[in-house]
Amino acid sequence: DAGVIQSPRHEVTEMGQEVTLRCKPISGHDYLFWYRQTMMRGLELLIYFNNNVPIDDSGMPEDRFSAKMPNASFSTLKIQPSEPRDSAVYFCASSLKGQTNTEAFFGQGTRLTVV
Amino acid sequence: AQSVTQLDSHVSVSEGTPVLLRCNYSSSYSPSLFWYVQHPNKGLQLLLKYTSAATLVKGINGFEAEFKKSETSFHLTKPSAHMSDAAEYFCVVREGTGNQFYFGTGTSLTVIP
Repeated sequence: DAGVIQSPRHEVTEMGQEVTLRCKPISGHDYLFWYRQTMMRGLELLIYFNNNVPIDDSGMPEDRFSAKMPNASFSTLKIQPSEPRDSAVYFCASSLKGQTNTEAFFGQGTRLTVV
Repeated sequence: AQSVTQLDSHVSVSEGTPVLLRCNYSSSYSPSLFWYVQHPNKGLQLLLKYTSAATLVKGINGFEAEFKKSETSFHLTKPSAHMSDAAEYFCVVREGTGNQFYFGTGTSLTVIP
């Protein structure tokens, strides 16, 4: 397996524009997580899915953020409209559920810059 | 409730000397514990994991961690630091029923030549 695949790797956009980040989890994994990493706030969990169903979205900063998982092999994180304070690295991770082999596998991240 | 405390935000060691990165956790269930490493501008890579099979866990690149239930600790060690070990390290806990992961705030390791 190629691991968790995120696209794009880098995104520069203007304030007010819509941004869509994409993630392909590892095949067979039950859980998918979206994280945001900044210098100021560190690594924050935004939302996670179990079997394509959102379980906890309490980390989503505001209504401008939305996430979907239409099937087991694809998820999106959308920001509309984007603001400069959304600039961060966004990571997607996937994992299995269980007592063993339960680590999260991370993608390489999407570095978002909103100008 | 689950939480993770990394006791040092920054650690500096000289090349060739031992590394100790400290982590304490709280968990209501039998936890799974992990250490991840993040090199600059890279993603997070698993160093090692504890899932109740053995209390001393060996990972990649010569790192080890020991699970001490009585102390609720999972400290990361390495006998001899290498320049390539300079990175950010995260201690992570996942509860036994296996839902979300709880991350510590990270420890930045600097290795001095």
